[in-house]
Amino acid sequence: KQEVTQIPAALSVPEGENLVLNCSFTDSAIYNLQWFRQDPGKGLTSLLLIQSSQREQTSGRLNASLDKSSGRSTLYIAASQPGDSATYLCAVNGGGFKTIFGAGTRLFVKA
Amino acid sequence: NAGVTQTPKFQVLKTGQSMTLQCAQDMNHNSMYWYRQDPGMGLRLIYYSASEGTTDKGEVPNGYNVSRLNKREFSLRLESAAPSQTSVYFCASRDLSSYNEQFFGPGTRLTVL
Repeated sequence: KQEVTQIPAALSVPEGENLVLNCSFTDSAIYNLQWFRQDPGKGLTSLLLIQSSQREQTSGRLNASLDKSSGRSTLYIAASQPGDSATYLCAVNGGGFKTIFGAGTRLFVKA
Repeated sequence: NAGVTQTPKFQVLKTGQSMTLQCAQDMNHNSMYWYRQDPGMGLRLIYYSASEGTTDKGEVPNGYNVSRLNKREFSLRLESAAPSQTSVYFCASRDLSSYNEQFFGPGTRLTVL
């Protein structure tokens, strides 16, 4: 059974710092991995999707990497801003209709 | 292009009352999903519909029913609400032609007293 873990559960950093959020999964037979952002009281916004054949995806200041063999993905945020404060969720899809979500990392960027 | 929309945004029920949560997507996606999100836990799948006319149970289906009304609409019904169903409910749809990318609605915040 696939399990997805995100560590740390919460993170506080000063503005301008580069940071890494971690996501680990137990079954390496994945189809894709998706990173989401969730603002308080809002829905999930897709940030990046990495296919199983890819090693990384980039969008602006965000870079997501995937290492299936070790069961890990990281989300790198460069030059963090207060507007980046949110909860970040990773989600693993094994190729079917079901997706397993991590519990999320709550990020606070201090001005 | 509104994406995935949900109604209502907030709802308070008394134990034993029933209600239906509505979801619609305008992206022509075949598959649609209902999740619940509880504090400290990841999203958990309640039911999903792989295509129009089909529905299947997810991880936590007890106490819920669903209807895939057409390709656009997927509703979730609580027949007899219980306090354990207090949660935030999210509807999502998936683009199978775009590597299974999933898109979410804004959520419905339900409190059962």
